Order: sequence, then C-alpha cells, then structure tokens
Amino acid sequence: SYELTQPPSVSVSPGQTASITCSGDKLGDKYACWYQQKPGQSPVLVIYQDSKRPSGIPERFSGSNSGNAATLTISETQAMDEADYYCQAWDSSTVGVFGGGTKLTVL
Amino acid sequence: EVQLVQSGAEVKKPGESLRISCKGSGYSFTSNWITWVRQMPGKGLEWMGRIDPSDSYTNYSPSFQGHVTISGDKSINTAYLQWSSLKASDTAMYFCARHRGGNGDGMDVWGQGTTVTVAS
Repeated sequence: SYELTQPPSVSVSPGQTASITCSGDKLGDKYACWYQQKPGQSPVLVIYQDSKRPSGIPERFSGSNSGNAATLTISETQAMDEADYYCQAWDSSTVGVFGGGTKLTVL
Repeated sequence: EVQLVQSGAEVKKPGESLRISCKGSGYSFTSNWITWVRQMPGKGLEWMGRIDPSDSYTNYSPSFQGHVTISGDKSINTAYLQWSSLKASDTAMYFCARHRGGNGDGMDVWGQGTTVTVAS
C-alpha cells in the first residue's frame, strides 16, 4: 500500500518560515492536500491540489509538490500556527492515505 | 451554514455492535462524497473509507475493509459507520468529512468527531 512519510516534529521561531515535507513514491504525480489540527479540534483543510488555499486560509500558507515530495510552507509563522499538520493523497483513484503527521512547535 | 453533525460519544463492550452517524446540512448532501477518518488516542489520522451519498457506492481502505461498514440514507442526509462486533482496539475518535470535489480537492468540512470507547 502507498505510504506518506512526514517528520514527527518541526520547530520554528515566531516570524520565521516553517517547512514541512511529505514524502511518497512519485507523489508529484498525484495531488497532495494538507490539514491542520489543533488539540481537541477537528482537522482543517489548509492546502488542496498541491498549492491552492481554501477561502479563509491566510496567504502565509503555501504548498508545492514535485518528484517524491510535497511541502507545506508557512511564512511569518505565528503562535496560532502551532498544531499538527497532515498531508493526504490518493493511493489509487479510490483509496486515500494520510501521512503520519508533523507537530509544529513555534518557540 | 454548511456543516456535518455527528452523533454523540459511545461507550460499548467488546463484541457489541454500533452505528454512528454524520448528518449534513446547508448543502446538497448527494453532491459530495463523505469520508470517515479514525484517530486513535494520541495518534494520527487514518483514512477508513468513503461513500457517495447519491448512490451509496463505497470505497474502503484495505486496512478497514471487512471490519467496518459505511452506509448512507440520502433521504435524511446522513452517512453511517458501523461495526458488528467491536474490539478494544476500535477505541478512537471518528470524524466524517466532506469532499470539496474531485480527489485532489481535499475535505473541506469536518464533523465534530464521535468518541468511541470499547472496554469491558
């Protein structure tokens, strides 16, 4: 089955840029999405189709996807961005898969 | 307001059956797939399967195929996740989520989650 690999944790200083990677075989040939989940809350879609932002998501969130990796980039990171982030793609046209998640710490 | 409202927390014993629900409102329920996602305590998100509410066609992750059943009733805008015989390892939070559109469009509306606890 298809696997997506994320680093367990990423740390960033306030105002700096955070990058979270998601690796998978030929992931660039698929669409990647990203979700933010804060403790005790439901996930929120922050990026879809590799790089598009849903309405209401700040411009500091951006995404890219090529080769074997997708990347979520958060510019000018704020304390409120501290959360778990999950990438998601499709193993086939009918089976979805999530990455293991990355805990973003803003310190 | 577009929303998915899930049924309340459940506490069950091993071997018991269970069905939890996810009711959509504020949009055309049959226009968007609904996916179920598991999150075990302190762990990540797991894609379980999805249903097309217009015809109840389903897809399952191999990891969950045969262990759960996803169904729906479009007359009441509701999707279901059910177990015929619960195990302690089914203890988790379960989310339903709406697909924006095609596969790459992501899941843009999520339910509040249903906590399922299975213990003797």
